[in-house]
Amino acid sequence: DTGVSQNPRHKITKRGQNVTFRCDPISEHNRLYWYRQTLGQGPEFLTYFQNEAQLEKSRLLSDRFSAERPKGSFSTLEIQRTEQGDSAMYLCASDKVSGNTIYFGEGSWLTVV
Amino acid sequence: GNSVTQMEGPVTLSEEAFLTINCTYTATGYPSLFWYVQYPGEGLQLLLKATKADDKGSNKGFEATYRKETTSFHLEKGSVQVSDSAVYFCALIGGPIQGAQKLVFGQGTRLTINP
Repeated sequence: DTGVSQNPRHKITKRGQNVTFRCDPISEHNRLYWYRQTLGQGPEFLTYFQNEAQLEKSRLLSDRFSAERPKGSFSTLEIQRTEQGDSAMYLCASDKVSGNTIYFGEGSWLTVV
Repeated sequence: GNSVTQMEGPVTLSEEAFLTINCTYTATGYPSLFWYVQYPGEGLQLLLKATKADDKGSNKGFEATYRKETTSFHLEKGSVQVSDSAVYFCALIGGPIQGAQKLVFGQGTRLTINP
C-alpha cells in the first residue's frame, strides 16, 4: 500500500495559464475524489469517480475545471484560465466501494499570481 | 444540508494538558462521523471514526463519542504531546459509509502544544 500520490506538490502559475494536477489512488480503490482546501478552511468536495465514471460534480466546479479518470486508475484535474481565486490546495482521496475509510493524498498547492 | 461546526482556534496548551475540541453537526438521517488531522505541509490523515450513536472512536490516545442526543462528536485526549500540534478537522458523511461518498468538513481547529 503506497498511499494516494499527487503531483506536482506545488505549482505557481500566472493568471490565465492552464494547470493540471495528477492523482494516483491506492491501487485497489475504485472510488476517487477531488477536494479543494483554501487557507484556514476545511476541504470542500469537488467531484468523484467510481472507476472511470464521474458520478457527481459540485457547484464549486466551474466550467474552467475538468476532471478525468480515463482508465479508472489515475485521475487528472485541469484548471483552465486560472484566476487568483483558484489559489488553494487540491486534495485527492480514494477508497473502495466496500471500504469504510477514505484515504487522502498530501495535496497539490496552487498559487496563482 | 449537512454541516459541521468546530470550536474556533487556535488552541494553545502546555504538554500533558487535557484537550477537548468541540464539534457539533447538523445532518439528516444517521451520519458517520470522523476526525482527521493535518500536520504542517501534509494532507489529511484519518484519526478516528464512529458510525453509529454511542460509538466511541479512539486512536493514539484520542477519543470521541458519537452523541446523537446532542449532535456532537467532541475530540478529547488526556495528556497532549508536542507532536500533537496540528490542525484537526471534524467531518461527516451523511448516511452509511458505503452509500454516500461526500465528506463534509468543519473549518478546522489549529492546536499548538508548548513544551
